[in-house]
Amino acid sequence: EPEVTQTPSHQVTQMGQEVILRCVPISNHLYFYWYRQILGQKVEFLVSFYNNEISEKSEIFDDQFSVERPDGSNFTLKIRSTKLEDSAMYFCASRPQGRGTEAFFGQGTRLTVV
Amino acid sequence: AQSVTQLGSHVSVSEGALVLLRCNYSSSVPPYLFWYVQYPNQGLQLLLKYTTGATLVKGINGFEAEFKKSETSFHLTKPSAHMSDAAEYFCAVTFSGNTPLVFGKGTRLSVIA
Repeated sequence: EPEVTQTPSHQVTQMGQEVILRCVPISNHLYFYWYRQILGQKVEFLVSFYNNEISEKSEIFDDQFSVERPDGSNFTLKIRSTKLEDSAMYFCASRPQGRGTEAFFGQGTRLTVV
Repeated sequence: AQSVTQLGSHVSVSEGALVLLRCNYSSSVPPYLFWYVQYPNQGLQLLLKYTTGATLVKGINGFEAEFKKSETSFHLTKPSAHMSDAAEYFCAVTFSGNTPLVFGKGTRLSVIA
């Protein structure tokens, strides 16, 4: 069964460093998303991506964040100059075309900023 | 703005007992509603969804949910809890084909032997 894969599963970084979280969405999906979940809290939307551009972003997704689909298969989230409060589980999701289709989530990358 | 409210951050039931997890949404347009489950250290897995048509939807692992427009609710139920049902459950909503899901805060289900 097709699945969304994320790497790495766990990333530890020092405050101020840049990190890149990687995702391979399901191949025939057209909509891509990043969400984050701070420990013990709700899953929060960060950004959606369609047709090679950002289609929607939340207020969390500020200039510190960027997304790319560099090669038609990978979908990356870059966090510049990480802060302690960026520590969270980051989930990538993809979704096919069509109303009411569900999003398929990856297993997540746990980011720890020290 | 759309929102989802899950009543009860933690629900505890005995094995074999009824599971009821509550979800209410706010919307001025017809919603698409989802329940996801998250097992420890894992990603989100779809349990079931409501888009159009029959308001009682069945999902995996014996779960079902009923969309009640008059109550703006989409409560998740299972007649008999199993130990393996212990997990975090998230209700989510979207309001058009492609807008991102908005999640509730989640309900942690504990099942007591």
